[in-house]
Amino acid sequence: QKEVEQDPGPLSVPEGAIVSLNCTYSNSAFQYFMWYRQYSRKGPELLMYTYSSGNKEDGRFTAQVDKSSKYISLFIRDSQPSDSATYLCAFYNQGGKLIFGQGTELSVKP
Amino acid sequence: ETGVTQSPTHLIKTRGQQVTLRCSSQSGHNTVSWYQQALGQGPQFIFQYYREEENGRGNFPPRFSGLQFPNYSSELNVNALELDDSALYLCASSPGLASDTQYFGPGTRLTVL
Repeated sequence: QKEVEQDPGPLSVPEGAIVSLNCTYSNSAFQYFMWYRQYSRKGPELLMYTYSSGNKEDGRFTAQVDKSSKYISLFIRDSQPSDSATYLCAFYNQGGKLIFGQGTELSVKP
Repeated sequence: ETGVTQSPTHLIKTRGQQVTLRCSSQSGHNTVSWYQQALGQGPQFIFQYYREEENGRGNFPPRFSGLQFPNYSSELNVNALELDDSALYLCASSPGLASDTQYFGPGTRLTVL
């Protein structure tokens, strides 16, 4: 079983839609949860960082963590064409090393 | 911009050759981590350096090696290149260890023919 499962997509939505991106993980020792955005031919950039169960909001983005179910989500409200990118969930393991999901490719159509 | 730079942007090598990739971290960041990202996959951790000492290694063979210098620059060296080494190589810098935010560079795309 992989430590992190993420649907690779691709996911295509119309502009203005609400987008839901999800990851499941198997390692209950994961304590820190992140979402990175990666544009084509660029390095990943940190979008959201949280360490507790519940919701964290930043503008149009909401990160949700459910430690009991080992499930994290990223919601994007009022999606824009500029949100078209690959979204990577990431976790710190016990050794302090980042473990990434496969990434979900998102396309927002005007 | 994260302030992390990498060179070169692209590189083409043939099987069996050796390659050196370079990274310049943000000033004051004592930790650099290197990742390999194959097409359509998430980044895979190669190794991490903290204050010029290796601080953990992922599931990569010894032909992947690294160095970190006091001036916040670092190198990733790969010997005896194989076709499967073709990937985007990313470095990320962070102030310290553990759960610090990592800031990624734009990557070096390596193609092995």
